[in-house]
Amino acid sequence: EIVLTQSPGTLSLSPGERATLSCRASQVVKSDSLTWYQQKPGQAPRLLIYGGSTRAAGIPDRFSGSGSGTDFTLTISRLEPEDSAVYHCQQYGYSPLTFGGGTKVEIE
Amino acid sequence: EVALVESGGGLVKPGGSLRLSCAASEFSFTLYTMNWVRQAPGKGLEWVGSISSNSEHVFYAASVRGRFTISRDNAGNALTLQMDSLRGEDTGVYHCARKFFDPTGGHWFFDLWGPGTPVSVSS
Repeated sequence: EIVLTQSPGTLSLSPGERATLSCRASQVVKSDSLTWYQQKPGQAPRLLIYGGSTRAAGIPDRFSGSGSGTDFTLTISRLEPEDSAVYHCQQYGYSPLTFGGGTKVEIE
Repeated sequence: EVALVESGGGLVKPGGSLRLSCAASEFSFTLYTMNWVRQAPGKGLEWVGSISSNSEHVFYAASVRGRFTISRDNAGNALTLQMDSLRGEDTGVYHCARKFFDPTGGHWFFDLWGPGTPVSVSS
């Protein structure tokens, strides 16, 4: 089973700052099998990025996904207050599909 | 509105059983593979299992195989998770999620999730 390790556990930043979230896989993962979700408290996860770098419909262009091999990154270029959430990475290239432990983004 | 809504969660003793339901609305439920994903308190998301559109293919995570059963009723637009022999580590919020396949890029992802129903296994 592929283990996805997300870091940092919590990121505290101010509006307008850039957030860089890491997702590291225990073995090489096809970049197009990497997905990112956003989850706000008490809500269902929401699809952000699929295929490693493609934004889902309605997702602002301040969100971008990148990476290859074992290292993947979700970048939020200019934080907005509504970006406060937990962000999950997920891979489906190998069975079983697995998720990372999540990174909480706090907007100060 | 296109939506998934789970129900049936609650408090159950170790060794007990619980049956979760997921009601789908405003989309062609019969076309999609459906999944259950759970989240233990303070932990990340964990895939539980999936069922294909015609119920022909059902898969489970190793942690629940032999104890949980996924089924669906396409006529009633409903997904079910029967949970038996429950353990403390099964505690968490259970979400149903729709699997979408993007043929242009060959990618798939969970594009629609329910808000979840909480399950607590404790004596």
